[in-house]
Amino acid sequence: QVQLVQSGSELKKPGASVKVSCKASGYTFTSYAMNWVRQAPGQGLEWMGWINTNTGNPTYAQGFTGRFVFSLDTSVSTAYLQISSLKAEDTAVYYCARESYWNDAQNAFDIWGQGTMVTVSS
Amino acid sequence: EIVLTQSPGTLSLSPGERATLSCRASQSVSSSYLAWYQQKPGQAPRLLIYGASSRATGIPDRFSGSGSGTDFTLTISRLEPEDFAVYYCQQGANTFGQGTKLEIK
Repeated sequence: QVQLVQSGSELKKPGASVKVSCKASGYTFTSYAMNWVRQAPGQGLEWMGWINTNTGNPTYAQGFTGRFVFSLDTSVSTAYLQISSLKAEDTAVYYCARESYWNDAQNAFDIWGQGTMVTVSS
Repeated sequence: EIVLTQSPGTLSLSPGERATLSCRASQSVSSSYLAWYQQKPGQAPRLLIYGASSRATGIPDRFSGSGSGTDFTLTISRLEPEDFAVYYCQQGANTFGQGTKLEIK
C-alpha cells in the first residue's frame, strides 16, 4: 500500500544536527512532490516547504531558511530533512507529506508519514 | 502571505449533533487549493477534503466542505464519537489555519 515511513525519535543536544528520513513505498516516488510540516508540542501545523522529487530543487517557507535542508535519494525513494545548529525551539514532531493533484488543479497532502519527534535538550 | 483564521477555537458538541467549522482567508483564495485535515492525538493529520468540497478517498459522506473566496466551511452532519479531534484548513498546499478543536460536550 501507499505509505511514508519516517525514522525514529531523536534526542539531540543544542548545537548538534539531525537528519530525518522519509521512505516512500507503493507509488512512483518521483511523480509526487514531498512536503515537510512541523508541529511543536501542543501547537498547530506549520508548513516548512517542499522538494521537487524530479529535480531535487527545494523550496523553503519563511522561517525555515539557513539551518534546514531538504534532500533526496531517489534510488531508495527516500526524502530527508536535515536540521543543523539545533535549538530548544526546534523540539517538535516533523512530518513528511506527499502532495497530490486532482483534475490538474486541486492539490493537497494525501499521504503523511507517522511523524518523527525531535527533542533538543541539554 | 495569506493568513487563514479558523473559528471557533474550540467547539463543544454531543454525538449526533451537527458541527460547522469556519476557515477565513486574509485574501481571496482559489477553492481548488483549499483543503481540510483531521488530526487525532498522537496521530498524523488525515486529509478529509480537497478543492474545498471534494471528499478524499474513504472519507464518510457526513463530512462536507463548501465555500469560496475568503470564507470556507467544513460541516460534519451528524457527529460520531470518532470525529472528536482537531481540524485544520490549508490553502495552496502550504499555509495552515491554527486549528479548531472539536470536543465532546
